[in-house]
Amino acid sequence: NAGVTQTPKFQVLKTGQSMTLQCAQDMNHEYMSWYRQDPGMGLRLIHYSVGAGITDQGEVPNGYNVSRSTTEDFPLRLLSAAPSQTSVYFCASSQRGRYNSPLHFGNGTRLTVT
Amino acid sequence: AQSVTQLDSQVPVFEEAPVELRCNYSSSVSVYLFWYVQYPNQGLQLLLKYLSGSTLVKGINGFEAEFNKSQTSFHLRKPSVHISDTAEYFCAVSAVSNSGYALNFGKGTSLLVTP
Repeated sequence: NAGVTQTPKFQVLKTGQSMTLQCAQDMNHEYMSWYRQDPGMGLRLIHYSVGAGITDQGEVPNGYNVSRSTTEDFPLRLLSAAPSQTSVYFCASSQRGRYNSPLHFGNGTRLTVT
Repeated sequence: AQSVTQLDSQVPVFEEAPVELRCNYSSSVSVYLFWYVQYPNQGLQLLLKYLSGSTLVKGINGFEAEFNKSQTSFHLRKPSVHISDTAEYFCAVSAVSNSGYALNFGKGTSLLVTP
């Protein structure tokens, strides 16, 4: 089972460049989310979606855009990368409204902005 | 809004010794509590969860946690750790919001098991 797939695994950007982090899940989960993980900060929620066409902001949304055109995909866009966005990014999915359903995580994308 | 505090950033322990990783939460509503583990260079995976019912919850790899409502705690325990338990452990709490639910994580506790 593929679960949650994130691409790329590693990326280096220059300040001001744009890119899209891809996330796909094959479990028919309605809920998908993006977190960033920084040393000593734990995981912080960037954006999340409770279904196709519906997105909402999390704790740290500035500098990131998302869209949800299909149930399977939830890409995260950096429009103009900044060094403060150097981090490890995790995509996670779960069944919406099913609070007993845990999050399934991808293996992460390690992003460095120089 | 709910928040999670993991009281120890690092916990060193010898192999076969018991361990407790502490977690406190704050919330004014009913919560759901989780512990996740992250091995090096991997994503997070669920260790155990508390939704309702028995306050002692058993998870994978011999871990268990006890929900204590009066102390708003959800500490993780294992009676005898292995080298392979070396990892980052995250406590998380979820609660209902108008747009669904969001899971808030603590800052993590790094468990280092040595021979």
